[in-house]
Amino acid sequence: EIVLTQSPGTLSLSPGERATLSCRASQSVSSGSLAWYQQKPGQAPRLLIYGASSRATGIPDRFSGSGSGTDFTLTISRLEPEDFAVYYCQQYSSSPHTFGQGTNLEI
Amino acid sequence: QVQLQESGPGLVKPSETLSLTCTVSGDSIGSYYWAWIRQPPGKALEWIGYIYYSGSTNYNPSLKSRVTISVDTSESQFSLRLSSVTAADTAVYYCARHKRRAMPYDAFDIWGQGTMVTVSS
Repeated sequence: EIVLTQSPGTLSLSPGERATLSCRASQSVSSGSLAWYQQKPGQAPRLLIYGASSRATGIPDRFSGSGSGTDFTLTISRLEPEDFAVYYCQQYSSSPHTFGQGTNLEI
Repeated sequence: QVQLQESGPGLVKPSETLSLTCTVSGDSIGSYYWAWIRQPPGKALEWIGYIYYSGSTNYNPSLKSRVTISVDTSESQFSLRLSSVTAADTAVYYCARHKRRAMPYDAFDIWGQGTMVTVSS
């Protein structure tokens, strides 16, 4: 099983700042099979990034994903008030699909 | 657009079987993989398993002995059964769709709103 470790656990920033979230895999994630999700309280997760760097439909271009192998990054270039949420990475390179423990992005 | 809706009891007794159904609307259930994912209160997401519209399945090894996922294409529904539940199975249960047709390894692009299931006597 591929274990995903996200850092930091909590990230405190202000609107307008840049956010950099990390996701490290215990073994290589092939073909960039990594996704990022945003989850707000009481809501289902929303797909932001798939294939490590492709934005999902309707996702603003301030969200970008990068990385390969075992190290992946989600960057939010200029934080908007609605971006404060919990972010999860997920690998779908091998079974079982696994998620990271989440990064709480707070004001 | 495609929508998913979970339904089922919100309270299950320990040792009994949890049963949930996900109804797909707005598109055909065919040609896609469909998944169940859960989230204990205040914790991270956990993949339970998926099913193809043809009926083939894949389960998380940590739950495999207790999980059954089935599909009813005529009703555009797929279902989860989790047996011998304990308090550790208390969670919000989500159904979700794999993003691309016929891809068992994929991101989840459409999610249901989730349903809270509590295991308690």
